[in-house]
Amino acid sequence: GAGVSQSPSNKVTEKGKDVELRCDPISGHTALYWYRQSLGQGLEFLIYFQGNSAPDKSGLPSDRFSAERTGGSVSTLTIQRTQQEDSAVYLCASSLDLNQPQHFGDGTRLSIL
Amino acid sequence: EDKVVQSPLSLVVHEGDTVTLNCSYEVTNFRSLLWYKQEKKAPTFLFMLTSSGIEKKSGRLSSILDKKELSSILNITATQTGDSAIYLCALTQGGSEKLVFGKGTKLTVNP
Repeated sequence: GAGVSQSPSNKVTEKGKDVELRCDPISGHTALYWYRQSLGQGLEFLIYFQGNSAPDKSGLPSDRFSAERTGGSVSTLTIQRTQQEDSAVYLCASSLDLNQPQHFGDGTRLSIL
Repeated sequence: EDKVVQSPLSLVVHEGDTVTLNCSYEVTNFRSLLWYKQEKKAPTFLFMLTSSGIEKKSGRLSSILDKKELSSILNITATQTGDSAIYLCALTQGGSEKLVFGKGTKLTVNP
């Protein structure tokens, strides 16, 4: 497809389990971003990649959160030992280059039981 | 603390009305302001504004930035039910690529 693709669209898991969320950016986009959208919190930045490197990880809320990007394309966001407060919609965006509009995927709705 | 404030928080209008949504900001080293429309899932990009006083237009939607007043407005003319959505304002700062979002304005257009 032409847009940012995220999978799974929904994920329900038990507290304490690890989860992996995947993002496939728009073809040719060099920058990739992860955000989290919680009820009442709005959209919060987590991390961004330029190519395969992550110059800004300042938004990751704890060391249970990590992300990687390989081949300058697909990225995975991993949450270890999930907690109930991790429940949110995780949105991925990509842009052609830095300082260009970011285009979002539909997100992964994560529910921690 | 840097912040982005949108008003009103919610708005209900009838089809055909014109609406104006507001976004004000207090940030250091402002670089750009963006507007997004969020219906059920992905926020959809509308406009990116970097220069003061230059209107950007797309069909019935338009937006303008006022750097002196540290604000932007999004206008929608002849509203339609399909315009019902949450409209998000976000900005970027020099030296950072992250978007800082406001809480959004929920627009409901009734037939």
